[in-house]
Amino acid sequence: GNSVTQMEGPVTLSEEAFLTINCTYTATGYPSLFWYVQYPGEGLQLLLKATKADDKGSNKGFEATYRKETTSFHLEKGSVQVSDSAVYFCALTNAGKSTFGDGTTLTVKP
Amino acid sequence: DAMVIQNPRYQVTQFGKPVTLSCSQTLNHNVMYWYQQKSSQAPKLLFHYYDKDFNNEADTPDNFQSRRPNTSFCFLDIRSPGLGDAAMYLCATSRLPPGTNTEAFFGQGTRLTVV
Repeated sequence: GNSVTQMEGPVTLSEEAFLTINCTYTATGYPSLFWYVQYPGEGLQLLLKATKADDKGSNKGFEATYRKETTSFHLEKGSVQVSDSAVYFCALTNAGKSTFGDGTTLTVKP
Repeated sequence: DAMVIQNPRYQVTQFGKPVTLSCSQTLNHNVMYWYQQKSSQAPKLLFHYYDKDFNNEADTPDNFQSRRPNTSFCFLDIRSPGLGDAAMYLCATSRLPPGTNTEAFFGQGTRLTVV
């Protein structure tokens, strides 16, 4: 079956620090990979995506590269801001169905 | 501008009293999903419609039902809500030609409280 394992949180960083949130997956076939962000009391918003091996998704300074050899899709940002505080979900879609990781709560302090 | 709209944002219902949550979309997507999310945990898929075809997840309780009267609207019916059904309910849509894996577009969610 499909599964997504995310780095456990919560993660607390100071503003301008470097961020990495690890994500690994298990899937049959060729899934697409996504990072979603959820702000308090809101739904999920797509942050970035990659649809095939070695693709790099990027948005708002965040990046993640689809690594088939290590079955990973780690999220990185070079300099976080207070406004990046949220819950981040790694997800894969395979045969039209999405599987989510458990989410990582990021808090950025000024 | 909202593309997936869920109403209401907050719903309070009594224990055992049927409740319906609604979702509409302006994207003309062929697939609509309902997820249950508790306390910022991973969203859990309850069921989805691929066009008019209903697909229930194996572990979705019978207490949860869904209707999709047309492309734009989808409803989640909880026949007899229990305290354990208090959660955020997320509607999502996707355009899925066969064999593709595109992203899902989520609504803002409805937070259900059972009293």
